[in-house]
Amino acid sequence: KQEVTQIPAALSVPEGENLVLNCSFTDSAIYNLQWFRQDPGKGLTSLLLIQSSQREQTSGRLNASLDKSSGRSTLYIAASQPGDSATYLCAVRRHERNTGNQFYFGTGTSLTVIP
Amino acid sequence: DTGVSQDPRHKITKRGQNVTFRCDPISEHNRLYWYRQTLGQGPEFLTYFQNEAQLEKSRLLSDRFSAERPKGSFSTLEIQRTEQGDSAMYLCASSIYRTEGEKLFFGSGTQLSVL
Repeated sequence: KQEVTQIPAALSVPEGENLVLNCSFTDSAIYNLQWFRQDPGKGLTSLLLIQSSQREQTSGRLNASLDKSSGRSTLYIAASQPGDSATYLCAVRRHERNTGNQFYFGTGTSLTVIP
Repeated sequence: DTGVSQDPRHKITKRGQNVTFRCDPISEHNRLYWYRQTLGQGPEFLTYFQNEAQLEKSRLLSDRFSAERPKGSFSTLEIQRTEQGDSAMYLCASSIYRTEGEKLFFGSGTQLSVL
């Protein structure tokens, strides 16, 4: 069974700092990996999707990388802002050959950006 | 594209009562997922539909839980004889497979409190 781990569980940084969030997974046979943001009491908002054949994806101040062979992904946030404060979750999608449940989630990193 | 809608946003019920939640996915999406999330944890898979067919149910889903997706459109999740341990956020997500990848889109969730 796929296990997804996110470290650290919580992170607090001053505004303007660059930061990296980590996601690791045990089974490298993934189809893609997706990073989400979740605000308290709300659903998840998709940030970036990386296919297994890709190494990275960028959107604005966000950059996500994927190293499938080592079972790792990182989410890099540049020039952090207080509005970035939220919980960030990663989810891996297992290979398309399998049917049924496709996605396995980590427990998230709670980010606080201090003004 | 109006996004994934869930109703109600909050539900408070007494132990032993039945509750039903509704999810309206993005109209073109043929895949629909139900997840449960408790505080500080990532979403936990409950069940998955492709069109109207329920293709997988988690072993966590006891016989008190049932889900339907008639005609492959909206879905309902019913919990019978609720227990305090059922208190959680119930999240619905939808997706469609595309060559560039399958991205999950989440609703805002239904927060269930069982007293």
